[in-house]
Amino acid sequence: DAGITQSPRYKITETGRQVTLMCHQTWSHSYMFWYRQDLGHGLRLIYYSAAADITDKGEVPDGYVVSRSKTENFPLTLESATRSQTSVYFCASGGVAGGENEQFFGPGTRLTVL
Amino acid sequence: AQSVTQPDIHITVSEGASLELRCNYSYGATPYLFWYVQSPGQGLQLLLKYFSGDTLVQGIKGFEAEFKRSQSSFNLRKPSVHWSDAAEYFCAVGPNQAGTALIFGKGTTLSVSS
Repeated sequence: DAGITQSPRYKITETGRQVTLMCHQTWSHSYMFWYRQDLGHGLRLIYYSAAADITDKGEVPDGYVVSRSKTENFPLTLESATRSQTSVYFCASGGVAGGENEQFFGPGTRLTVL
Repeated sequence: AQSVTQPDIHITVSEGASLELRCNYSYGATPYLFWYVQSPGQGLQLLLKYFSGDTLVQGIKGFEAEFKRSQSSFNLRKPSVHWSDAAEYFCAVGPNQAGTALIFGKGTTLSVSS
């Protein structure tokens, strides 16, 4: 089915461990985004990507790494997880260059760092 | 600074009653405005969007929103609320340029009483 998927949906890890959250979209959208959602903050942008091998920082990038070797995938890695990274993570995709800024969201990954 | 304010953190409405969720924005350029809805445990679904043209826009699920430039507002309305409308609602603003980050409000949680 076409759409945007995230895995895992739920993850519990320990402080200091590396964690990778996966995001896959089947629309061939150029742009992909990672947001985190925290109570009282709404959604904040972590990283985004305009195309394969092109990524850039958002509002809260510290402690995260992204890559985009293929257009359809945009994994987010927490290199050494901290408790402050406990959050719900949303991946989004949307648009082509010159097109409208409409973003479609995945179901989210709820990450707990103990 | 660019920002979105949703003044109401939590609203309770009786089933069948009308609903208005407030959204105010601060944005330097022509805004592209969105309302998203997030049901419990789900991702964000786009309800409606506005960039130009008629200032009253219709969305899915019977929602509409009115853009008022003079008040920097984009309030969401529904004439008759259903129990299934209970969710969290996010207003967002951004440029009408694919690949640019959206700025989200902190959300309004809607509860529907019988």
